[in-house]
Parts: sequence; structure tokens; C-alpha cells
Amino acid sequence: GAGVSQTPSNKVTEKGKYVELRCDPISGHTALYWYRQSLGQGPEFLIYFQGTGAADDSGLPNDRFFAVRPEGSVSTLKIQRTERGDSAVYLCASSTGSGNEQFFGPGTRLTVL
Amino acid sequence: AQTVTQSQPEMSVQEAETVTLSCTYDTSESDYYLFWYKQPPSRQMILVIRQEAYKQQNATENRFSVNFQKAAKSFSLKISDSQLGDAAMYFCAYRSRDSNSGYALNFGKGTSLLVTP
Repeated sequence: GAGVSQTPSNKVTEKGKYVELRCDPISGHTALYWYRQSLGQGPEFLIYFQGTGAADDSGLPNDRFFAVRPEGSVSTLKIQRTERGDSAVYLCASSTGSGNEQFFGPGTRLTVL
Repeated sequence: AQTVTQSQPEMSVQEAETVTLSCTYDTSESDYYLFWYKQPPSRQMILVIRQEAYKQQNATENRFSVNFQKAAKSFSLKISDSQLGDAAMYFCAYRSRDSNSGYALNFGKGTSLLVTP
């Protein structure tokens, strides 16, 4: 596709469940970023990949959050034992290289009941 | 850590008029980037304009321009000839140029822009 895609568009889950959110970056983009946007706030950085490795995971709030990018393309953000406070829009962005313009996807809206 | 402040939760402008959105930031760095992003209801963040801190000239992109005041740490966005399609949330963002600081964008809380006919 032409842009960054994210699936699902919306996800509703129950407290305590496990969820996976997927990001397909623009083809050829080596850098990939995850952000979390809570209601009424700007996006907050979670984690950044350069290729397959997590170059910066300083934004992950706790060990319930984990992300992978095994082949340097698609990335999955995994949240264990979800809490109501995890409800937010999770945005993914990609860029041609570290420090270059980040192109965003439409996000996944996660609702934890 | 750098902080970005947008003090206007909501702004309104009439079609064809001009509006200015405010942004201030706090940093001890001398070299960095500043951005304005637009987020329509579709949620997708769209880059509107970018300013490099070492450039004194204010960036412009068609109807969008910025007023970058480095000493005052101010970075406002001016939208001229406002159009109905400009209605959206606007976010100001900061990014360091120092690779040791990472490449994460640091966003403000946003300003909701309403455009009235």
C-alpha cells in the first residue's frame, strides 16, 4: 500500500485480556515508531525500531507492553493483562531512516472494558 | 526532557480569514526540529510544516507559515485564507537533532481548530 496501515482499526477487550496491534509500514522504511494517544492528549512515544531491533524502548510504560519487528517490516505491539487505563489510540509511524520525516498510520483505537 | 505547551485548547476562525495557533517549548538543546501536525477525525497525523532550529528564516508551505522565535522558545502557526478542510486538531511537536536523544517526537496537547462558513 501507499501508506502506513494499522489493524485492527478498533479493538474492544476486557480487563485482563491480551491484545496484539499490528503495523504495516511504508515499503522500504527502515525506522518504525509506536505512539500512544490518550483522550484529549497529544501522542506519547512508546518505542522505536531501526530494522529489527528496538533502538529505543524508553517510552514503554511498564513490562506489560512489548513490541517486536522480527523481519524489519511489520511490527506488533503486544499488551498483556490489559487495564482500563490502557484505553487509547495507538499510532504507528515509519520513516526512511532514523531522523527522517515520520509518516503516520490511522491508528488503532483500543478500548478496555 | 523537553516539554511542548499549547495553551489554546480550541480556536475558531471564519472561512477565508487568518488564524494563529500558539506553541511554546522548553529545551536546553541548541539544535532541534519543530513541527506542526494536523489530525483530522480520521486520526491520521499529517505533517503541515517543519522548522529547523538552526535556520533563521521562517518556514512556509502555501497558506501555512510559522513564526519561530528561538530565544523566546516560541513556534506559532499561521493559517491564511482558512478553508473548511483546515478544521482539525493541530499538534506542535519537538524533536532533537542529537541522535543520542533518540528520534521520538514530543507533542503538545493540541489545539482544536473550528472553521465556520
